[in-house]
Amino acid sequence: ETGVTQSPTHLIKTRGQQVTLRCSSQSGHNTVSWYQQALGQGPQFIFQYYREEENGRGNFPPRFSGLQFPNYSSELNVNALELDDSALYLCASSLVTSQETQYFGPGARLLVL
Amino acid sequence: DAKTTQPTSMDCAEGRAANLPCNHSTISGNEYVYWYRQIHSQGPQYIIHGLKNNETNEMASLIITEDRKSSTLILPHATLRDTAVYYCIVSAIQGAQKLVFGQGTRLTINP
Repeated sequence: ETGVTQSPTHLIKTRGQQVTLRCSSQSGHNTVSWYQQALGQGPQFIFQYYREEENGRGNFPPRFSGLQFPNYSSELNVNALELDDSALYLCASSLVTSQETQYFGPGARLLVL
Repeated sequence: DAKTTQPTSMDCAEGRAANLPCNHSTISGNEYVYWYRQIHSQGPQYIIHGLKNNETNEMASLIITEDRKSSTLILPHATLRDTAVYYCIVSAIQGAQKLVFGQGTRLTINP
């Protein structure tokens, strides 16, 4: 148990729809990162939020967007869903200090039909 | 970020030490070596990390070669619950800490 929670944990959407995934960080952590993990692959970095601002982004299109709230919780929004967006979406929280590790939530499994 | 190379899969007998190698020959001076593991369908779990000295915690030991081009994660007494995919990651300490996961090593602990 890392103290990082995600909701919902499973959901099904159809192509073209929009989805919002939520993440509550571990107590005291002010940074949230999001990752996408396709079946059989390692997680891929989407972006990171620190102090409510995007603080680094991976190779994902603009239809992947995020928010961080004053309590450090975060949302990942994906617009115009595509079949390839089917994946496990992971959030991880950390403190932005050197050596600080990221602690992952259980993930949200998204299936796009 | 530097890339890592790990064996695709390994087997180990329960109760024995599991030694998982990782090659990171292009690692930079400001990059740490991190190990995470992922048990089926769960979020990755942090195990240990180090810069250049060997490290030990309650889960594992990390041995980093003197030239820092490779490392070994050691699980001293493997149990069936250690069956997982193990990821070796190098990550800089400055800026947004983006973890770059490779394919990892699928470790199977056999009874």
